[in-house]
Parts: sequence; C-alpha cells; structure tokens
Amino acid sequence: DVKVTQSSRYLVKRTGEKVFLECVQDMDHENMFWYRQDPGLGLRLIYFSYDVKMKEKGDIPEGYSVSREKKERFSLILESASTNQTSMYLCASSSSGQGVDEQYFGPGTRLTVT
Amino acid sequence: AQSVTQLGSHVSVSEGALVLLRCNYSSSVPPYLFWYVQYPNQGLQLLLKYTTGATLVKGINGFEAEFKKSETSFHLTKPSAHMSDAAEYFCAVSRNSGNTPLVFGKGTRLSVIA
Repeated sequence: DVKVTQSSRYLVKRTGEKVFLECVQDMDHENMFWYRQDPGLGLRLIYFSYDVKMKEKGDIPEGYSVSREKKERFSLILESASTNQTSMYLCASSSSGQGVDEQYFGPGTRLTVT
Repeated sequence: AQSVTQLGSHVSVSEGALVLLRCNYSSSVPPYLFWYVQYPNQGLQLLLKYTTGATLVKGINGFEAEFKKSETSFHLTKPSAHMSDAAEYFCAVSRNSGNTPLVFGKGTRLSVIA
C-alpha cells in the first residue's frame, strides 16, 4: 500500500521562527511536491523536485525553501515564519514513467503561525 | 499556460440525486486530466484520470467523467449521491505532456442532504 507521511498533522509556531515540514514516501518515487491549500484558492504549488538534490520553484516559492538529500524525503523550510504562511501544507509524490502519473498525497500539516 | 476552472465552489444535492461537478480546462498541449477527492482532515485521493483513449473514464466509488475536447470540459458525475460522497473535489490538468506538476482548480465542496 502506497504511503506518503508528513511529520506533523498540526503545528503551531511563532512569527520569525524557522519551521521544518518533513515528508517521506515509501514508493521509490522520483518526483515530490509541496503545495499549500487555502480556502477558495485550491492547491498552489510551492516547490517540487524531480530527483535527489534537485529542486524547482513552483508558483508561490517566496518565503520558502526545500531540501531533498534522500530520494524518499522532501523537506519544506520556512526560514522566518510569518502569519500569512498559516495554511494547510500538502506533500505529494509521483513516479517518473511514461506520460503523467497520478500524485499520491500525504494527510497534510495544518500550520498556524501566531 | 494551463488552467482549470471549477464552476461552483459549493454544490448541494439530495441523497440519491445526480451529482454533477463541472470542470473546464485550458491547455496548449493535449491534456492529462484528473479528479481528486478530499475528505475532511485528509489528503487528496485520486478518483479518476484521463490520459488518452476512451473519453469516458470510470473511477472509484461510482464516479465517472467525460473528456470533451470541443468543449474543453471534464465534468464529474455520479448517478446517485450517497451521504459518504460529501467532500471537496478538485479537478487538475497536467502542465505539459510530460511528467510535470499538476494545475489544480479551486475545488468544489459537495454537500449531500438526507
């Protein structure tokens, strides 16, 4: 059974803190993604990675960075958390096959920045 | 650039009634199209996908969608709504013909009334 896990379901941080969100997949997928989900805005792509140590900016990368040191792990970093980064964060992974493979999602981390 | 429009942020149906969730897309390349469902406090789960071939696609839980190129649409239907169908539904389109991140619509929340 395929699985994407995220380190926390709920997280509360203070403004200015450095925040790490961790994502691990056990499907040996090449591709990994970070999205944020906000009411009325759907899912917006923050960063993605096609391979270890590779990263690409998505649609809203400002204020975020990522790290992918191992194939199975993709970390999202908020260098200095701000209240406008309060959101649901979703990690996903997919295989690099022919065509476009479906993305498998983790359960999400609801981050509150106070 | 690829985009997705979901008509209606909230749809309400009676139990046993037809479910119709609308999705229109814009794509400069032959699209790969997806419908995902999100139950409360969970990640997204794939309902169905269209890549090539048959334009009527059947998915899980009795849902199906039809790809209509002339209308640039990929509407999701289910003949008879069940209470357990209450969730948020997202339509998504591939950004390119290769294995690239998806562009998601803003979502439609489906309520089912007993």
